[in-house]
Amino acid sequence: GENVEQHPSTLSVQEGDSAVIKCTYSDSASNYFPWYKQELGKRPQLIIDIRSNVGEKKDQRIAVTLNKTAKHFSLHITETQPEDSAVYFCAASQRTYKYIFGTGTRLKVLA
Amino acid sequence: ETGVTQTPRHLVMGMTNKKSLKCEQHLGHNAMYWYKQSAKKPLELMFVYSLEERVENNSVPSRFSPECPNSSHLFLHLHTLQPEDSALYLCASSQDFSRGTLTSAAHTDTQYFGPGTRLTVL
Repeated sequence: GENVEQHPSTLSVQEGDSAVIKCTYSDSASNYFPWYKQELGKRPQLIIDIRSNVGEKKDQRIAVTLNKTAKHFSLHITETQPEDSAVYFCAASQRTYKYIFGTGTRLKVLA
Repeated sequence: ETGVTQTPRHLVMGMTNKKSLKCEQHLGHNAMYWYKQSAKKPLELMFVYSLEERVENNSVPSRFSPECPNSSHLFLHLHTLQPEDSALYLCASSQDFSRGTLTSAAHTDTQYFGPGTRLTVL
């Protein structure tokens, strides 16, 4: 069936360093790839997304890249700060309402 | 935040109880979702309603019963739950462009989540 693999499951970086989280999807028809950030005890919030007609998208310190041929996409956070510490989820979707989520990455930014 | 709200935020219930979770969205969306979030597992889609019609039911046990009286409200009725049903239940909403709009092409749009209900079944 459809699935999304997300790696790593945990990631610790020093403040100021970069963090990269990778996801691989199985359904080649997927055309929308959102990333969500979930802080402890809070709701998942969209931080960036990319559609299949775009290879890269950037928003300040956050960027997402998409390789449709390899069926993987990555989240890049530069100049990490302690407030970036959270669980990050990727998702892939090819239908208007069906997201397939990854298992999440717990990011810890060490001060 | 007032986009998507959920009540209650925390719920403890016995296996023989009946309770309901409520979700309300103030974003003008036409699709609403229930997800289950358990530790170390991906978000599991349970139900989807689009224009108040259930369009997805992911083999969810009948002890979970959804209700969507209008496009702004979504309920999840719970009865005779099991301890393994303990989890965070998240509601989400989005705009489903594939239904009743000018375009015939399906369009995926962003889902916005509520804060969740932390459910504990004893």
